[in-house]
Amino acid sequence: GQQVMQIPQYQHVQEGEDFTTYCNSSTTLSNIQWYKQRPGGHPVFLIQLVKSGEVKKQKRLTFQFGEAKKNSSLHITATQTTDVGTYFCAGPITGTASKLTFGTGTRLQVTL
Amino acid sequence: EADIYQTPRYLVIGTGKKITLECSQTMGHDKMYWYQQDPGMELHLIHYSYGVNSTEKGDLSSESTVSRIRTEHFPLTLESARPSHTSQYLCASSDGAGGNYEQYFGPGTRLTVT
Repeated sequence: GQQVMQIPQYQHVQEGEDFTTYCNSSTTLSNIQWYKQRPGGHPVFLIQLVKSGEVKKQKRLTFQFGEAKKNSSLHITATQTTDVGTYFCAGPITGTASKLTFGTGTRLQVTL
Repeated sequence: EADIYQTPRYLVIGTGKKITLECSQTMGHDKMYWYQQDPGMELHLIHYSYGVNSTEKGDLSSESTVSRIRTEHFPLTLESARPSHTSQYLCASSDGAGGNYEQYFGPGTRLTVT
């Protein structure tokens, strides 16, 4: 079946360091979404990428969608303690538009 | 912030009990979802609804059932709870307008079956 893997599974950084999580799908995706889940919280939508090679920025966050539309990345510049949480990518289940397969997630810990 | 609500937030219940987890949204979204998430793990879709009277099971097999009698309401029922059902259950909704399938999540129900 369709699988969406993320690496690393966990990363611990010092505040001010950069962070990147990578998302890889076993199938081509029509779009990719990114969510953030704070500890004890629920996932919150960050962004959706649709076009091959698309790059979008939200302040310190940069999102990329691969040329083959099978991979994506999220890069955070100069992390802050407010960035702590688990970041999930998600892509539509093959043959559907609205049902998602979530990635395995990357948990980010930021310390001072 | 999205208007999607789940009750109860926490539930501890004994084996064999019947439980219903409530989920409501006030955004008029057609599509609603139930996910199961163990601590620190990914989300698994267990139920999906396209709209009123339309439901289907997700990719993760679940002994729970759902109903969608009203657009805003999507309850999940476990007829006989077991310890293996202990998990967090997240409800979400989306409308797909303009090709944007952003999902809005409720706060979740943390279920413990003893």
